[in-house]
Amino acid sequence: QKEVEQNSGPLSVPEGAIASLNCTYSDRGSQSFFWYRQYSGKSPELIMFIYSNGDKEDGRFTAQLNKASQYVSLLIRDSQPSDSATYLCAVVSSGTYKYIFGTGTRLKVLA
Amino acid sequence: DGGITQSPKYLFRKEGQNVTLSCEQNLNHDAMYWYRQDPGQGLRLIYYSQIVNDFQKGDIAEGYSVSREKKESFPLTVTSAQKNPTAFYLCASSMGRDRGPSNEKLFFGSGTQLSVL
Repeated sequence: QKEVEQNSGPLSVPEGAIASLNCTYSDRGSQSFFWYRQYSGKSPELIMFIYSNGDKEDGRFTAQLNKASQYVSLLIRDSQPSDSATYLCAVVSSGTYKYIFGTGTRLKVLA
Repeated sequence: DGGITQSPKYLFRKEGQNVTLSCEQNLNHDAMYWYRQDPGQGLRLIYYSQIVNDFQKGDIAEGYSVSREKKESFPLTVTSAQKNPTAFYLCASSMGRDRGPSNEKLFFGSGTQLSVL
């Protein structure tokens, strides 16, 4: 079982819709969770981080964490074509401080 | 401006040659990381360092070497033993362990694309 799993996509949504990206992880002791956006040929940039159960909102982005079910999600409201990118989920492994990345979900926002 | 600088942006390696990728940060971060990314893949950890003069192997360390003689510098050498080096290499840093979860954010350099001639 992969340590951090994401659906590779592509996930296609129309402009203005809500995009929902999901990530599951295997290490129950994981403590911190991150979403990075990566445009083709560029380095990842941090979008959201969360470490408590529940929702965390920042502008059009909402991160949701459910430690009991071991999943973390990212919602993008009012999706724009500029949101088209690959979204990487990352989890900090308990005790080792290693970041474990998923393979990413490619999002396409259709104008 | 504070940040992480990787150089060169593009690098070509001949067979049997060792090449070194540079990574410098002026964020005063303790921890630094090297990742490899293959097309359509996630990031795989090569080496990481939590403190000067100390580093640990990641998941794919074979064929690579690093040093951490200064806090701000963490160069990666791709040796001739790495038979499939073509990839996008990313250096990252964070404040380091024991700083609390809100300080665990990774900051990335702009990457180095390594190709084999």
